[in-house]
Amino acid sequence: DARVTQTPRHKVTEMGQEVTMRCQPILGHNTVFWYRQTMMQGLELLAYFRNRAPLDDSGMPKDRFSAEMPDATLATLKIQPSEPRDSAVYFCASGLRLGLGETQYFGPGTRLLVL
Amino acid sequence: GQQLNQSPQSMFIQEGEDVSMNCTSSSIFNTWLWYKQDPGEGPVLLIALYKAGELTSNGRLTAQFGITRKDSFLNISASIPSDVGIYFCAGPFYNQGGKLIFGQGTELSVKP
Repeated sequence: DARVTQTPRHKVTEMGQEVTMRCQPILGHNTVFWYRQTMMQGLELLAYFRNRAPLDDSGMPKDRFSAEMPDATLATLKIQPSEPRDSAVYFCASGLRLGLGETQYFGPGTRLLVL
Repeated sequence: GQQLNQSPQSMFIQEGEDVSMNCTSSSIFNTWLWYKQDPGEGPVLLIALYKAGELTSNGRLTAQFGITRKDSFLNISASIPSDVGIYFCAGPFYNQGGKLIFGQGTELSVKP
């Protein structure tokens, strides 16, 4: 049963610290998405990659957030320095583009609390 | 811009009842996706629809891709307590390579 995995599942850190979240997409999927979910804003797309190339990161605060795909099996989202307003659940999703149809499969999320 | 309006926002029903929720848009979509999110978990894909008029079932769940391509419906028959969660509709932004728009979600509560 192929799944998207994310680590860590929970992270508590202090303001100003660096936070790195990791995602392993489903093998064979060629798109990877990073989302942030909060009660107020719902699900927001931060960035996404196709075939490891960044396609859109317009949803991401560029001064402190960065997203990379060092290889096809790993995507990272980094926050440096972290701020309390970054507290949220961060989801990674992977998908496969076939013709007009595309579906996304979500990981379990990283729950981040910045104190 | 493209937006998805999902309704109702929340539902409180008795176990055994049928449930219906829908998503509408002012824009045409080529794909409709329905997800369920359990507390503390990521959204899980329930049903994917790729063709206008398509009706697809997954167990007690049935979803339809509206013929106008501007709406979709999700029905749950004979609800059970484990149906509790938030249901999201989603569709791809036009010409933006797979980016999804999500509805605001329908929170379902089922009373045993």
